[in-house]
Amino acid sequence: SQQGEEDPQALSIQEGENATMNCSYKTSINNLQWYRQNSGRGLVHLILIRSNEREKHSGRLRVTLDTSKKSSSLLITASRAADTASYFCATEKNNNDMRFGAGTRLTVKP
Amino acid sequence: GAGVSQSPSNKVTEKGKDVELRCDPISGHTALYWYRQSLGQGLEFLIYFQGNSAPDKSGLPSDRFSAERTGGSVSTLTIQRTQQEDSAVYLCASSLHGRGNTIYFGEGSWLTVV
Repeated sequence: SQQGEEDPQALSIQEGENATMNCSYKTSINNLQWYRQNSGRGLVHLILIRSNEREKHSGRLRVTLDTSKKSSSLLITASRAADTASYFCATEKNNNDMRFGAGTRLTVKP
Repeated sequence: GAGVSQSPSNKVTEKGKDVELRCDPISGHTALYWYRQSLGQGLEFLIYFQGNSAPDKSGLPSDRFSAERTGGSVSTLTIQRTQQEDSAVYLCASSLHGRGNTIYFGEGSWLTVV
C-alpha cells in the first residue's frame, strides 16, 4: 500500500520562482526521503530527513518535517527549467522498507 | 556493478505470455525492492527482500506475479499469463542494510502487453 501522499499533483511555475511541494503520511516513520524522477525512469535520491530533525538544506533544496502533523515539504528555490521532473516523497515503514507517494509533477517554464 | 542494472529495458509481449524481468542490485546491498509505475502514476510497491528474511510480498497484485532472489543478489520478477493492465515500468532498487539508507534505482523495464 502507498504511504506518502504528495500535494499538489501538478505544479507549473516560471523559471526563477520557488516551488513548494508537500507530502503527508499516515504512520510513524524513521525518516522521510525525497526523490526526483525524469521521464518515467529511475528515481534519484535528493535528500533525507530523520524523524528527530525539523529542517534540512541541500543547495537550493529545503526540506521540513512536522511529525506532529505527519507532513513534510520540499522547497526548491530559484527554480530552473532543468528542475522539471516528478518529485516523490518516500517514508521508511520498517527497516529499509520504503513506500512512495504518487508524486508531484513540476514544470518550470523558461 | 556501479549501479542497479535491469533487463530488458523494453519488452513487448502478447497477452497471455509469461515474462521475466531481471534485476542486478549494487554489490553488497542486502535490501532489494520491486515497484511498478503505470504511465503518469506513482510507484506501486510490489515486493521487498531483506537479506535472508522472508520477503514482504504484500504488494504483489495477484498470484500471477512472483519474485525470487537467488543467493541474496540477482532478483527475477515473473509475470505469468500477462494482461494488458500489466503494462507499466517495473523499477528495481537496492540499498545497504540498515535504517536511513538511500535506495538506488535501476532505469526500469518498460513492459507493454499487446
